[in-house]
Amino acid sequence: QVQLVQSGAEVKKPGASVKVSCKASGYTFTGYFIHWVRQAPGQGLEWMGWINPNSGGTNYVQKFQGRVTMTRDTSITTAYMELSRLRSDDTAVYYCAREGSYNGYGYGLDVWGQGTTVIVSS
Amino acid sequence: NFMLTQPHSVSESPGKTVTISCTRSSGSIAINYVQWYQQRPGSAPTTVIYEGSQRPSGVPDRFSGSIDSSSNSASLTISGLKTEDEADYYCQSYDISNVVFGGGTKLTVL
Repeated sequence: QVQLVQSGAEVKKPGASVKVSCKASGYTFTGYFIHWVRQAPGQGLEWMGWINPNSGGTNYVQKFQGRVTMTRDTSITTAYMELSRLRSDDTAVYYCAREGSYNGYGYGLDVWGQGTTVIVSS
Repeated sequence: NFMLTQPHSVSESPGKTVTISCTRSSGSIAINYVQWYQQRPGSAPTTVIYEGSQRPSGVPDRFSGSIDSSSNSASLTISGLKTEDEADYYCQSYDISNVVFGGGTKLTVL
């Protein structure tokens, strides 16, 4: 079945970087954009950007420009999200999610990873 | 850029019907598809409505979605409420190449 499995929880100090992985299975990895969404404790969903696994092209929310890098490794059908210069307000659950249309865009996020908790604390 | 505005919370009794609204601040609500996600505590979101009114397989037909151009809003209606429907609900659409989420609505079934 279609599945996105994320890496485990992380605890980081302010100023450090974190890299979260998202392993895709059960579908053609290069056919669907991967989005990254985060959720701070008790807060709503915040979209961070996407990566096109086929071309490697990315689109980041301006708020994260310069701090976020989304990459992929097609040989192991895995997408990555790296966030640098971490601050305490980056403490959140980070989700990857698949765009819902093959070679398309604008149809919703149909499959979500289980989430990765990132805690930033000194 | 636009925002999607949802009520912070709604509550209703089991067996009743509840509607959650999602109002787009600028531009037509009909330009881009609207999705609705359900999120239970400690779990990832799951889709209950996509493309405005379509239900994924496995989502009961008690869930329905609609668009109202006159109010520039989308709505999620849940009929025959069950206690298991208690969750946070988020609407989502697109702004050209960006994804936009509403702030979320906490549904309490009491």
